[in-house]
Amino acid sequence: SQQGEEDPQALSIQEGENATMNCSYKTSINNLQWYRQNSGRGLVHLILIRSNEREKHSGRLRVTLDTSKKSSSLLITASRAADTASYFCATARGNTGKLIFGQGTTLQVKP
Amino acid sequence: EPEVTQTPSHQVTQMGQEVILRCVPISNHLYFYWYRQILGQKVEFLVSFYNNEISEKSEIFDDQFSVERPDGSNFTLKIRSTKLEDSAMYFCASSAGTSQFFGPGTRLTVL
Repeated sequence: SQQGEEDPQALSIQEGENATMNCSYKTSINNLQWYRQNSGRGLVHLILIRSNEREKHSGRLRVTLDTSKKSSSLLITASRAADTASYFCATARGNTGKLIFGQGTTLQVKP
Repeated sequence: EPEVTQTPSHQVTQMGQEVILRCVPISNHLYFYWYRQILGQKVEFLVSFYNNEISEKSEIFDDQFSVERPDGSNFTLKIRSTKLEDSAMYFCASSAGTSQFFGPGTRLTVL
């Protein structure tokens, strides 16, 4: 089964606007993590939300988790051109910590 | 801030040759992982490693692949006989138990 499916696949906004990306998954999880990837580069860990948490903040990032709907959202407020990147959600389950990634959302923030 | 490092950043090899990709995880982390990302596709889990042994591996991680932690700092991925379809970005990650932190990746090109 697919885990960590994001939507939209691509998002284009103006600098200063908010960007919301969604992630859905199919099985129970221990936690859900969001990552950013600039083109051709590594994955930068943004935020982790545990299965017993509903909302978490980190700077301009806000993550929500709805385990009943098996979905999460990442909100970036007051976006900047430097936020342009691909954003992935990854779900962790089981004892090994293995992460299952989605296809990602490509965010473009226009100056 | 401690980070995961990987060498080389880019490796070009001929089909059938052996390659070793190297990683130095964050020093107090106990869980180690390899993932790969074929160009334009999502990040895929390969293997997890804990307490000097493989804790989980994916279907991709067949007999051609092996991992080793030869000393207290390095974590390596060996591909015994590379195939064209092994061309991808390979990411190492480490964790103290929850959040995983990724290295910048090694781009492997098999000709």
